[in-house]
Amino acid sequence: NAGVTQTPKFRILKIGQSMTLQCTQDMNHNYMYWYRQDPGMGLKLIYYSVGAGITDKGEVPNGYNVSRSTTEDFPLRLELAAPSQTSVYFCASSKMTGDWEKLFFGSGTQLSVL
Amino acid sequence: ELKVEQNPLFLSMQEGKNYTIYCNYSTTSDRLYWYRQDPGKSLESLFVLLSNGAVKQEGRLMASLDTKARLSTLHITAAVHDLSATYFCAVDMTGAQKLVFGQGTRLTINP
Repeated sequence: NAGVTQTPKFRILKIGQSMTLQCTQDMNHNYMYWYRQDPGMGLKLIYYSVGAGITDKGEVPNGYNVSRSTTEDFPLRLELAAPSQTSVYFCASSKMTGDWEKLFFGSGTQLSVL
Repeated sequence: ELKVEQNPLFLSMQEGKNYTIYCNYSTTSDRLYWYRQDPGKSLESLFVLLSNGAVKQEGRLMASLDTKARLSTLHITAAVHDLSATYFCAVDMTGAQKLVFGQGTRLTINP
C-alpha cells in the first residue's frame, strides 16, 4: 500500500517557468489537500478538494491552480514561477467518513525558483 | 482569522526530564491535531483531539485539549533522544480538515 505519492521530490525552476506537481493516493480517500511549508514555519493550505470535480481555495492560493478529475489524483500547477514560491510542497489525503480522521501526508516536493 | 501559536519555538532538554509544549489558538474549535516532523521528512500524525477535556497518550507523549481556554498541551515524560523532532499543532475550525498550523516547536533531546 503506497499511501500518498508525490513526484518529483526535487525541482529547480527559473522565474516564469511552469510546472505541475503530481500527487496520487491509493487509499480511496475523498479529501485531498496541498500545503506549502516555508523554512522554519508551519504548513499553509494552498488548495483542497472534497471529491472528484470539486476544488476550493485555501489560505494561500495565488499563483497556483489545481484540478481533481479522479479520486486518486490531485495535481498542483504553477503557471509563472516566482521566487516567493520556493518552498516544500506537501500533498495530503483523508477519508472523512463522518468521524474526524488523521491526514496522511506525502513525502514532499522541494521546489526552488531561481 | 484563526491564529495558532506554539510555545516554546525551540526547546533543548536532557534525557530523562519532563517538559510541556503549549498550543494556543484564537477562535473556538474542538478539533486539534498534533504532528511530528523529522528533519527533511514528511509529517507523521500523533494525536487527534476532538472534544473538550480530551486526553490521549502514546508512549512518553500525552496530549490534552481545553477548548474553553483554547489551549492544547503536549507533555513529554522522561524524554529520550528518539523524540528529537519538530512538533506541530494544527487546528480545524471549518469541519473539512482545512488545518491552520502553528509555527512548530523544534525539540532537541541531549544524552
